[in-house]
Amino acid sequence: DQQVKQNSPSLSVQEGRISILNCDYTNSMFDYFLWYKKYPAEGPTFLISISSIKDKNEDGRFTVFLNKSAKHLSLHIVPSQPGDSAVYFCAASAVRDDKIIFGKGTRLHILP
Amino acid sequence: DSGVTQTPKHLITATGQRVTLRCSPRSGDLSVYWYQQSLDQGLQFLIQYYNGEERAKGNILERFSAQQFPDLHSELNLSSLELGDSALYFCASSDRRTITGELFFGEGSRLTVL
Repeated sequence: DQQVKQNSPSLSVQEGRISILNCDYTNSMFDYFLWYKKYPAEGPTFLISISSIKDKNEDGRFTVFLNKSAKHLSLHIVPSQPGDSAVYFCAASAVRDDKIIFGKGTRLHILP
Repeated sequence: DSGVTQTPKHLITATGQRVTLRCSPRSGDLSVYWYQQSLDQGLQFLIQYYNGEERAKGNILERFSAQQFPDLHSELNLSSLELGDSALYFCASSDRRTITGELFFGEGSRLTVL
């Protein structure tokens, strides 16, 4: 049972444009949603998070939107830069379960 | 550099063997998490320890076991290895008892079972 789904294995975006990565979840008990970024041969690094009581969180070029009724969240990167090329993992956590569930990841390619 | 150290970085072994993966968390972090990343799979949660005690369990096989020692480092033991156990194993740490946010990941240990 995949509780966190990233349905796009890869995405290509022109440099300077907006990148939108999507994520769906099934468990309405999740309290926090997170995005991690992973470069080859490195561990994932935390990017941005959002509490389930909010619908938007912004940090510089990165904004996460949460639509609880649709059980959907998205990560917007504006403007996209070459260094943004990486695998992005969507993740969710429920405090009572005390574990973070990750999606399969979306590989983002920023094209020159 | 996340501050989380994993050894070994690479390991090649044969089916039926047993290996131990080691993780040193960031200084001060009490929680350690283990994740498995197989080909085309996301990060599968295996197990979490907080200050030496098992706190949460995920899809960890009975052939696998883990522990966290008094100095807070953790070991993941994989036994009776099968080809399908070939994967990247990540350790992560946090300073929180329960999950509310950021985990700090090590660079992973790549296990190849031949």
